Amino acid sequence: DAEITQSPRHKITETGRQVTLACHQTWNHNNMFWYRQDLGHGLRLIHYSYGVQDTNKGEVSDGYSVSRSNTEDLPLTLESAASSQTSVYFCASSDRQVNQPQHFGDGTRLSIL
Amino acid sequence: QKEVEQNSGPLSVPEGAIASLNCTYSDRGSQSFFWYRQYSGKSPELIMFIYSNGDKEDGRFTAQLNKASQYVSLLIRDSQPSDSATYLCAGTSGGGADGLTFGKGTHLIIQP
Repeated sequence: DAEITQSPRHKITETGRQVTLACHQTWNHNNMFWYRQDLGHGLRLIHYSYGVQDTNKGEVSDGYSVSRSNTEDLPLTLESAASSQTSVYFCASSDRQVNQPQHFGDGTRLSIL
Repeated sequence: QKEVEQNSGPLSVPEGAIASLNCTYSDRGSQSFFWYRQYSGKSPELIMFIYSNGDKEDGRFTAQLNKASQYVSLLIRDSQPSDSATYLCAGTSGGGADGLTFGKGTHLIIQP
């Protein structure tokens, strides 16, 4: 079955370090997304991609970057981790057709000390 | 700024009754709407999506959309304790390709 896999599931790191969260989907979806989920804020869009070599900023993109070198993967990088980036991160994907639902990975719980 | 508003709850409903979850949105350009269910510590799971005015039914679930009133709802019939979760309403104006705007979710409790 097609799926979307995130790794690691849990990570603890220190402020100032670079962190990369992996997202791999086997749906062959063109669209991929990264969200963060925090108490009191719900899910907020960080970055999204329509396809290879395409990336776009979302609502809360400061301090994050993504790159899309193939259809299956959209890694999320925190260039210099800050305590405010402690959160649960979800990757999602959807088909290129209009109004298609997004399928979510299991999430990565990231703690920055 | 696009906003999706939900009552955070908790909404408590007796087992077997109808649970009614509501959502309003600010962006008149929003085209389609999605309801996700999220159990504590888990990822969002798609329940239903709707993009035409009116009702859409799938098993025990009915989604309702009123674009004139900018209102979306989800009805759960014959509520079960396993329906206890947080329900997230999300909308999009770009057909979904530019991401979803989520509400903060409604915590639903089904009382046995």
